[in-house]
Amino acid sequence: AQSVTQPDIHITVSEGASLELRCNYSYGATPYLFWYVQSPGQGLQLLLKYFSGDTLVQGIKGFEAEFKRSQSSFNLRKPSVHWSDAAEYFCAVGARTGANNLFFGTGTRLTVIP
Amino acid sequence: EAGVVQSPRYKIIEKKQPVAFWCNPISGHNTLYWYRQNLGQGPELLIRYENEEAVDDSQLPKDRFSAERLKGVDSTLKIQPAELGDSAVYLCASSATIAGELFFGEGSRLTVL
Repeated sequence: AQSVTQPDIHITVSEGASLELRCNYSYGATPYLFWYVQSPGQGLQLLLKYFSGDTLVQGIKGFEAEFKRSQSSFNLRKPSVHWSDAAEYFCAVGARTGANNLFFGTGTRLTVIP
Repeated sequence: EAGVVQSPRYKIIEKKQPVAFWCNPISGHNTLYWYRQNLGQGPELLIRYENEEAVDDSQLPKDRFSAERLKGVDSTLKIQPAELGDSAVYLCASSATIAGELFFGEGSRLTVL
């Protein structure tokens, strides 16, 4: 069965510091992989996605993520965090069969301190 | 271009009362999803529509939940009767194709007292 693990419930970083949010997945095959961001009271916005090809993918707002098949991981990174990045971040996996049902992790809440 | 529109944004009801949520997807998006997001959790799929057809409703508690998308455009999710455990945010999303990017609405936050 598929599952997504985000081991960090809450992370606090200083503005300007680097960020890495962890995501591990369990899936029968290589899935599609996604990172979404959710600001308070808002819906989810897609940051980036991995389907195939280059394992380092670039997203919006300066985020990137690296797919590591051997580790079943898809960690999200940003070299310098801005105060506006404070939000909840969700990793998700989807099937390659064409049915776009996403399975989400439990999320990591990011706090940015000045 | 307008995004996915949901209403109401907030709803407070007493248990055993009915409640309904409405979703208007992005124009031209054939696939529509309803997700439930419990506090501190990620969203979980309730039902997925391809046009008017519900193609995946395996996670929908059918004893009290129902959904419809009669004309293949907007959709309604109903709970009757509501229970305390139904308190959550109900998210609607749409995509242009079954493999396309999901666009989410802002959600409808339900509180059952």
